[in-house]
Amino acid sequence: AQSVTQLGSHVSVSEGALVLLRCNYSSSVPPYLFWYVQYPNQGLQLLLKYTSAATLVKGINGFEAEFKKSETSFHLTKPSAHMSDAAEYFCAVSEGFQKLVFGTGTRLLVSP
Amino acid sequence: GAVVSQHPSWVICKSGTSVKIECRSLDFQATTMFWYRQFPKQSLMLMATSNEGSKATYEQGVEKDKFLINHASLTLSTLTVTSAHPEDSSFYICSAAGQGTEAFFGQGTRLTVV
Repeated sequence: AQSVTQLGSHVSVSEGALVLLRCNYSSSVPPYLFWYVQYPNQGLQLLLKYTSAATLVKGINGFEAEFKKSETSFHLTKPSAHMSDAAEYFCAVSEGFQKLVFGTGTRLLVSP
Repeated sequence: GAVVSQHPSWVICKSGTSVKIECRSLDFQATTMFWYRQFPKQSLMLMATSNEGSKATYEQGVEKDKFLINHASLTLSTLTVTSAHPEDSSFYICSAAGQGTEAFFGQGTRLTVV
């Protein structure tokens, strides 16, 4: 069975600071990995995905994530936080690219 | 990316009534659709997987007689919450995937049962 662990239910940063959201996965097969963002009462927007090509994946809005097999990690980063980045972020793992198992989410708070 | 439309975006219903949520793929054929449920401040939990023309596959612990899923066409799946109760209040999100493609998410439906 696959699973995802997101360390830290809340992460607070100042505007302009580095954003680091942590995600570790467990999978018995080579995984597909995803990061989604969710704004209040809205659906999910895909930020980026890893599909066994390049280990460093660049996504939308300046986000990127690096797949590290040895650490079973797929942490999400952004060099400089904007106020508009404040939202809930979900890491997800998939065996077959479609059916996703989500982490518990991390709420990103950005202060001026 | 592909567009998945979910309707309604929010609904309030009385306890004991049924409510139907629609999930449509607007610009692609969705061979598989997924229904998730999200409790406040929690993650998304997969409820069921439906393939067009087949019965849905429900995850363990999900009552199939309570959450009726129909996927009669390649662009539409519906989730009907039957005899809804306040504990069914939640945020329901669908996703749709074409053959061999990633899944795209709808915008979600906030269900409140009073």
